[in-house]
Amino acid sequence: GQQLNQSPQSMFIQEGEDVSMNCTSSSIFNTWLWYKQDPGEGPVLLIALYKAGELTSNGRLTAQFGTTRKDSFLNISASIPSDVGIYFCAGHNAGNMLTFGGGTRLMVKP
Amino acid sequence: KAGVTQTPRYLIKTRGQQVTLSCSPISGHRSVSWYQQTPGQGLQFLFEYFSETQRNKGNFPGRFSGRQFSNSRSEMNVSTLELGDSALYLCASSLPSGGLLGEQFFGPGTRLTVL
Repeated sequence: GQQLNQSPQSMFIQEGEDVSMNCTSSSIFNTWLWYKQDPGEGPVLLIALYKAGELTSNGRLTAQFGTTRKDSFLNISASIPSDVGIYFCAGHNAGNMLTFGGGTRLMVKP
Repeated sequence: KAGVTQTPRYLIKTRGQQVTLSCSPISGHRSVSWYQQTPGQGLQFLFEYFSETQRNKGNFPGRFSGRQFSNSRSEMNVSTLELGDSALYLCASSLPSGGLLGEQFFGPGTRLTVL
């Protein structure tokens, strides 16, 4: 099925470093969402973006809705061990169906 | 407010059997969506129910079906199970507007293993 192109696939960083990941699509989306999933659990919504160019923060997380509406970025500043997990981007259009990226697995070394 | 709940959390079935999974959305949410998550295919949309009607459907065979009750609780059924149906099945509920803004809140999932 269709998926968004999410990169990188995995990252292994030192605690305290900043992290960046992005998502691109060939299709336009009206809403971009970022989720985090821990092992054995469902995805948890981190940030939702509704307008092209929008920049939104949630604590140490900052996400942007690309101006072309075909991409989005997530940054995590000053990473900590509990940031470990898989981060997913998702695009939403009319029809209430989310299209997901393949995920970015984040590992943090204390 | 309680989150999305799914039962059971784990299931083991054999090929050819059928299975029913249950999802209770966040109170006041009327839209329920189902997703399949596998290592190979990632998160794939199955279908969405709103006001007891299937509103959207993903690209899955007819063996996958669902329904929604008047209290917004939803069930999904998979008949004639195949090995490839082994996956984490996730349910997500959306705001009363029907999810026009796109925010969906996920349950913990049901881990289905087909032997």
